[in-house]
Amino acid sequence: DVKVTQSSRYLVKRTGEKVFLECVQDMDHENMFWYRQDPGLGLRLIYFSYDVKMKEKGDIPEGYSVSREKKERFSLILESASTNQTSMYLCASSFMTSGSLSYNEQFFGPGTRLTVL
Amino acid sequence: GQQVMQIPQYQHVQEGEDFTTYCNSSTTLSNIQWYKQRPGGHPVFLIQLVKSGEVKKQKRLTFQFGEAKKNSSLHITATQTTDVGTYFCAGLALVFGKGTRLSVIA
Repeated sequence: DVKVTQSSRYLVKRTGEKVFLECVQDMDHENMFWYRQDPGLGLRLIYFSYDVKMKEKGDIPEGYSVSREKKERFSLILESASTNQTSMYLCASSFMTSGSLSYNEQFFGPGTRLTVL
Repeated sequence: GQQVMQIPQYQHVQEGEDFTTYCNSSTTLSNIQWYKQRPGGHPVFLIQLVKSGEVKKQKRLTFQFGEAKKNSSLHITATQTTDVGTYFCAGLALVFGKGTRLSVIA
């Protein structure tokens, strides 16, 4: 079974802190994704990566950055956390075929619920 | 940009009743995916539809892709308490609908 793990289930940080959310997948997937999930807003894509050291902005990249130094690991960074970044953060991964991102199922991690005080 | 609208936002049904959620896109989709998220859980892939007019079934779940590939539906026959959760569709460019939260009253 594909396994996507995230470093923390719950995290509490203070405004202005630098926050790292880590995600690791064990199925050699090319694609990795970071979403945030908020009530009434569904899942919104923050960043995705289709290869090591490659990254693309999603719908809401402001206030976030990412790092992918190894194929299995994709990190989401909040340079200076703010209260409006309190949310559930979901990481996902998928295989890529024919250079397309939209043709394969995504496997999600359990999520990290981040609270910024 | 592309938008994926999903209705209804909430649905409460008696156990045994049928349930349908609809997904509508502002642009033509090359494919559409459906996911289910149980309360407190993470989204889990259910199915992908690719062909115009495609219909796929998984036990009590029936998935349809519109002829114009701009809409899709998920229908559950005779709901059970195990069907509780939020159902999301996802289209091109990794755009998810906001989901339909299903509650089943036993």
